[in-house]
Amino acid sequence: DQQVKQNSPSLSVQEGRISILNCDYTNSMFDYFLWYKKYPAEGPTFLISISSIKDKNEDGRFTVFLNKSAKHLSLHIVPSQPGDSAVYFCAAREIQGAQKLVFGQGTRLTINP
Amino acid sequence: NAGVMQNPRHLVRRRGQEARLRCSPMKGHSHVYWYRQLPEEGLKFMVYLQKENIIDESGMPKERFSAEFPKEGPSILRIQQVVRGDSAAYFCASSPLGQGNTEAFFGQGTRLTVV
Repeated sequence: DQQVKQNSPSLSVQEGRISILNCDYTNSMFDYFLWYKKYPAEGPTFLISISSIKDKNEDGRFTVFLNKSAKHLSLHIVPSQPGDSAVYFCAAREIQGAQKLVFGQGTRLTINP
Repeated sequence: NAGVMQNPRHLVRRRGQEARLRCSPMKGHSHVYWYRQLPEEGLKFMVYLQKENIIDESGMPKERFSAEFPKEGPSILRIQQVVRGDSAAYFCASSPLGQGNTEAFFGQGTRLTVV
């Protein structure tokens, strides 16, 4: 029962272009969404988050969009840089103070010079 | 300000042995979470602890796995009688408040290999 899905295992983007990573969810009780970045042999690093009461949150080169009716969110990185090459995980949290995050399977992003 | 510290980074155990994974949260953080990542999969929640209390263990296997976060010292995830299927990366995260209010900071993980 995969409540958070990242259907693209990998994505390759040219340096300087936009990277778009997608995430779908099935649980309508999720009210907070996060994106984490992970390098090999390291722990996940928080990137950006969005509350379900918003549809967009921007932080520098990173923007997260939330479409609640479609149960879909996306992470935009522009311009993409070689250091952005990593695995990106989408995660979601249920409302009512639940403390655990549900993660997607991850998307491996490769930025080509 | 040191981040979340996990040790050991790598752990090899034979089938049937015990594995003990340690996690020291960031200074000032009183909430600890353990996640497990199997190869080619996302992280799966295991357990959420506060000092001396298990708050949510809904992701913990019912047998062989236990976790604690004593008043003094690190949080410990213990796996008894390990099997090959326990081979995974185990990540610990900590937060100053309940994770619902802020993002959690992750350690570098312990990679457990059962041979």
